[in-house]
Amino acid sequence: AQSVSQHNHHVILSEAASLELGCNYSYGGTVNLFWYVQYPGQHLQLLLKYFSGDPLVKGIKGFEAEFIKSKFSFNLRKPSVQWSDTAEYFCAVNYGGSQGNLIFGKGTKLSVKP
Amino acid sequence: DTAVSQTPKYLVTQMGNDKSIKCEQNLGHDTMYWYKQDSKKFLKIMFSYNNKELIINETVPNRFSPKSPDKAHLNLHINSLELGDSAVYFCASSQASLGYTLVTQYFGPGTRLTVL
Repeated sequence: AQSVSQHNHHVILSEAASLELGCNYSYGGTVNLFWYVQYPGQHLQLLLKYFSGDPLVKGIKGFEAEFIKSKFSFNLRKPSVQWSDTAEYFCAVNYGGSQGNLIFGKGTKLSVKP
Repeated sequence: DTAVSQTPKYLVTQMGNDKSIKCEQNLGHDTMYWYKQDSKKFLKIMFSYNNKELIINETVPNRFSPKSPDKAHLNLHINSLELGDSAVYFCASSQASLGYTLVTQYFGPGTRLTVL
């Protein structure tokens, strides 16, 4: 079955620390990949996406993600986190031909200490 | 202007009641979705409509009935509410192209449903 795994349930960092959140998906051919962020009490917002081309994707607020096809991974990174990055981060995958269905990972809660 | 809006934002009701959640998008998209986010923050798609036609219907109890009066609206009606229906329900929209090729989905603010 198609699935998305986010291995870190809760990550706690100090400000200025570097961030890497893992995301792996099950094999299913062509994929479109997304990272969404949900700030406390708010709705999901798109951070970045990968459809094709350069596997290193840059998003908003200094986030980037790298698609490694051989590892079925799409990890999210930020070199220096801020307190305002405290949020829940969701990786999502659309498997080509699945009629727009987005499969979400279970999310990673990021807490940044000031 | 809000791109994807949902009403109400909060909904508290008793078991057995029937309730509706409304969703509207002003992005001109032709595809709309309903997702359920449970207490553990897990997001799962429920339904998807493309040009008012149902294209995704995941395993959801038939107490849940989506209705799309036009491309800009996708409402969710829930009959005989149960405790397990308590969750945050998110509406989303996107513009399909090349058949059902996915492009970015834009999410609404969510409706927190609490069933007592």
